[in-house]
Amino acid sequence: AQSVTQLDSQVPVFEEAPVELRCNYSSSVSVYLFWYVQYPNQGLQLLLKYLSGSTLVESINGFEAEFNKSQTSFHLRKPSVHISDTAEYFCAVSDLRFQKLVFGTGTRLLVSP
Amino acid sequence: DVKVTQSSRYLVKRTGEKVFLECVQDMDHENMFWYRQDPGLGLRLIYFSYDVKMKEKGDIPEGYSVSREKKERFSLILESASTNQTSMYLCASSLLQTANTEAFFGQGTRLTVV
Repeated sequence: AQSVTQLDSQVPVFEEAPVELRCNYSSSVSVYLFWYVQYPNQGLQLLLKYLSGSTLVESINGFEAEFNKSQTSFHLRKPSVHISDTAEYFCAVSDLRFQKLVFGTGTRLLVSP
Repeated sequence: DVKVTQSSRYLVKRTGEKVFLECVQDMDHENMFWYRQDPGLGLRLIYFSYDVKMKEKGDIPEGYSVSREKKERFSLILESASTNQTSMYLCASSLLQTANTEAFFGQGTRLTVV
């Protein structure tokens, strides 16, 4: 069975500082990996995804994540965060048969001035 | 603009009531999902459907059932609501294919059972 671990439940950071949100997955087969973001009182939005090819994937708002097969990790990074990045971030792995997403428990990113 | 619409943002129901949560998508997606979101537990899959009238149990189906009579609509049913079903419920849809498996989510329904 697939599983996802997000060890950090909350990450406080100052504005313009770099941040890394950690994600480790467990799977015996090839996987697709995703980061979703949830702003307060909203549903989830796709931030970025790894399907195949380059192990470094980027989003349009400055986030990036690197797929590391040997370490079974897909950490999310941003070199300089903004107040507006305050949200909850979920890492997920996809079941290839029905595209069921298995989610981690989420990491709340708190950006303060 | 792709859209997954959940019929209610907030619901308050009494213990023992039968509760219907409705979800509609306009993207002609085959897959539809119901997740439950609780603090510290992330999102957990309740049920999913990959075709009309088809359904599969997820990780926590107990106390829930689903209905998919039309491709665009997926309903979650709480047969007899209990206080431990107080939660945020999220509906999602995606295409049935092996690549580009992005799921699109609704805004969520926050259900309180009193």
